[in-house]
Amino acid sequence: SQTIHQWPATLVQPVGSPLSLECTVEGTSNPNLYWYRQAAGRGLQLLFYSVGIGQISSEVPQNLSASRPQDRQFILSSKKLLLSDSGFYLCAWSRVSFETEAFFGQGTRLTVV
Amino acid sequence: GENVEQHPSTLSVQEGDSAVIKCTYSDSASNYFPWYKQELGKRPQLIIDIRSNVGEKKDQRIAVTLNKTAKHFSLHITETQPEDSAVYFCAASIPPGKSTFGDGTTLTVKP
Repeated sequence: SQTIHQWPATLVQPVGSPLSLECTVEGTSNPNLYWYRQAAGRGLQLLFYSVGIGQISSEVPQNLSASRPQDRQFILSSKKLLLSDSGFYLCAWSRVSFETEAFFGQGTRLTVV
Repeated sequence: GENVEQHPSTLSVQEGDSAVIKCTYSDSASNYFPWYKQELGKRPQLIIDIRSNVGEKKDQRIAVTLNKTAKHFSLHITETQPEDSAVYFCAASIPPGKSTFGDGTTLTVKP
């Protein structure tokens, strides 16, 4: 069966510090991968999605970047965090066919102080 | 790009009553419409979905309807139970799997 791992679960970082959140998927190959951010009481905003290694699409201009160094690894990064980067970050994967559900990781609660 | 609007933002019902959540979308290329349930502090999980070639789908107490012409789809929960209390998200997906989510509906079922 397929599983998705996302870590860390919680993170407190000072303003201006770098960020690296990692997500890995097991039990499938060539998945579509996604990074979402969820603000308190709000929906899920798609930040990045990837259909293959090295293929990253950015949905919104922001202080973040994403990379996919391996087929089942997706990394969310920032060189310098802003207060507005605080939120709940969710990694997700789906099968190549677009008519399939997204499976979410446990999420990372990021607080920038 | 796609825009998904979801209503209401909060919904409170008595146990046993029905709950209806509605969503509209803008991009006619959207072909897949999942609904997710998110309990407090947890990840969203799929509860039901519908594809564009289907008008209605039912799974026990949960049903979803889709009107492609009007670009709206709805979630119906019958015989609500306290454990149905959660945040529900609709989404519209276009190739290659990019989903746009609504802002969510907080459903409270009072015992």
